[in-house]
Order: sequence, then structure tokens, then C-alpha cells
Amino acid sequence: QVQLVQSGAEVKKPGASVRVSCTVPGYTYTKLFIHWVRQAPGRGLEWMGGFDPEDGRIIYAQMFQDRVTMTEDTSPITAYMDLSSLSSDDTAVYYCVTVDLWRQFLHWGQGTLVAVSS
Amino acid sequence: EIVLTQSPGTLSLSPGERATLSCRASQRVSGNYLAWYQQKPGQAPRLLIYGASSTATGIPDRFSGSGSGTDFTLTISRLEPEDFAVYYCQQYGSSPKYSFGQGTKLEIK
Repeated sequence: QVQLVQSGAEVKKPGASVRVSCTVPGYTYTKLFIHWVRQAPGRGLEWMGGFDPEDGRIIYAQMFQDRVTMTEDTSPITAYMDLSSLSSDDTAVYYCVTVDLWRQFLHWGQGTLVAVSS
Repeated sequence: EIVLTQSPGTLSLSPGERATLSCRASQRVSGNYLAWYQQKPGQAPRLLIYGASSTATGIPDRFSGSGSGTDFTLTISRLEPEDFAVYYCQQYGSSPKYSFGQGTKLEIK
């Protein structure tokens, strides 16, 4: 069973940046393609970006392209999501999640709340 | 840009009844890369169906998916109390490469 463990909640001021991490402890098997999905309070799921299984390259949703960076370390597997120029609209739970062969989101982290408030 | 529209927004049913949830795409979903998720309050989503009709590991067989092209359906044959939740469909392929529907809330009548 693949387990994704995310970093803790963050409180940020408008204009600041945030880094959320996602670790997969003990996993040494096949390549994992980790993506990020967020959910604002009371709202639906919004895909932000991740590593595309088609070619292994990073792809970002257009609305985040200018202010998000996703990176990954390999030992242990740790994915990072950096989001800059935060506003109150970025207040949400951020999930890391693996993408499988049928491009479905399979293993989810527990979520990280990022609250943006002055 | 592909848009996934789920209907109804809210579905009120009783345990034991059959639930039918719809997901309609504004363009053809290539390769039937269409998945369904269940989300309960305070929890991460859980994968139910992938490839439009394949049931994910550990998912009870009362859950089934069908459809192709632009019209997809999630059916829960006989509702159990733990099935009342929000359900999302998700596609891969068109711009944006990944996207979700807005969700259907399944509530107890």
C-alpha cells in the first residue's frame, strides 16, 4: 500500500509563498507520478499539476502556471509544491496524489490546509 | 477546453434504493479516461471507478460505471448508509489535461 504523508497546516499573509511537501516513506518500486489537487472550503476538486505519465514531464494547469512550481526528490520520494503570490482565494486543502496508468488519481495524501489571511 | 457537468447537483435517496449519477463532457473524452471518486467530509477522495467502467481495488460491487464518448454514469445498485457522500467525475486528455466535475451530493432522504 502506497502511503503519502503531507506537511502540516500553514497560515500565510497575502502576497507570501508557501511550500507543501509530500513524502512516500519506504517506497522503492516503480516510478510514482505525483500530482497536486486542491479544494477550497465547501468547494469542489481543482487539479493544479504534476508529472505526466505520458512523458514524465511536469504539466501545470493554466491558471496556476505563472506562480506554481512542482519538484521532486528521490530518496526518500518527496514531492514539493511551491505556490507564490498567495491571496485569500488560495485558502484550501492541498492534496498530493499519485496518478496511475489509466490517469486516475489513486493514492491520496491526508491533505494540507493552507490559510491565507491578513 | 473540456468541461465536465455532473447531474443532479444533489440527489436525495433512501438506503436500499438505486442511485444513478451522470457526468457529461463538453467534448469527447479520449480513450475513456474517465474516473469516479467518493469523498466524505474531512476525508481525501477515494477512487471508485477508472477507465469509465473498471472498479478500483477494494470497492464493493454495488458500484459500477458505464458510458463512453461524452456521457458517463455511476450507478450504486443498492445504497448503504456509508454511501452518502459527494461524488466527482474526472477526465484525462483534453485541455486542461486533467479536470473534475463539480460534484454530486448524495444525501439521505
